[in-house]
Amino acid sequence: RKEVEQDPGPFNVPEGATVAFNCTYSNSASQSFFWYRQDCRKEPKLLMSVYSSGNEDGRFTAQLNRASQYISLLIRDSKLSDSATYLCVVNPNTGNQFYFGTGTSLTVIP
Amino acid sequence: NAGVTQTPKFQVLKTGQSMTLQCAQDMNHEYMSWYRQDPGMGLRLIHYSVGAGITDQGEVPNGYNVSRSTTEDFPLRLLSAAPSQTSVYFCASSRDSRATRNEQFFGPGTRLTVL
Repeated sequence: RKEVEQDPGPFNVPEGATVAFNCTYSNSASQSFFWYRQDCRKEPKLLMSVYSSGNEDGRFTAQLNRASQYISLLIRDSKLSDSATYLCVVNPNTGNQFYFGTGTSLTVIP
Repeated sequence: NAGVTQTPKFQVLKTGQSMTLQCAQDMNHEYMSWYRQDPGMGLRLIHYSVGAGITDQGEVPNGYNVSRSTTEDFPLRLLSAAPSQTSVYFCASSRDSRATRNEQFFGPGTRLTVL
């Protein structure tokens, strides 16, 4: 079983729509969770960390469900500029490595 | 503050050639890592380091060597390039992989083609 699994999509949504991505992880001891954004042929960049109580940054909301071992990302009022691949990242905080999902592709259509 | 830098940005090698991909960070981060990214595969960890003088293997280490003589630098060496090593290589660093708020910062990547 993969450490982190994501639905690859693609998700094609109209401008203004709300879209949600989920990501499941296998290590129940994982402590740190992140969403990264990657534009075509560019490096991944941190979108937001995911905190236990859930957190919001503008149009973006991240949530963690430890019981079911998944994290989610909600994007409200989608913009054309939101088109990218969104990567889920989990770190067990053991000093070893970060685990990346394969990414979910989002295209926002005019 | 340049963050994480990588050189070269592009490289074409012939099978059997060796080369070193350079990575440097100026954020005094303890943790550094190398990933390769292939279509449909996501980011796969090659090697990582939790501090100067300490390195360890990741998911796909075969054909690659690393060293960490300073906190700032973490070069990746391809010993004898093979077409299967054609990929985009990303270097990343973080303050400490065990700390909270330990997000990784990525370099711009090196696009390598092996003929």
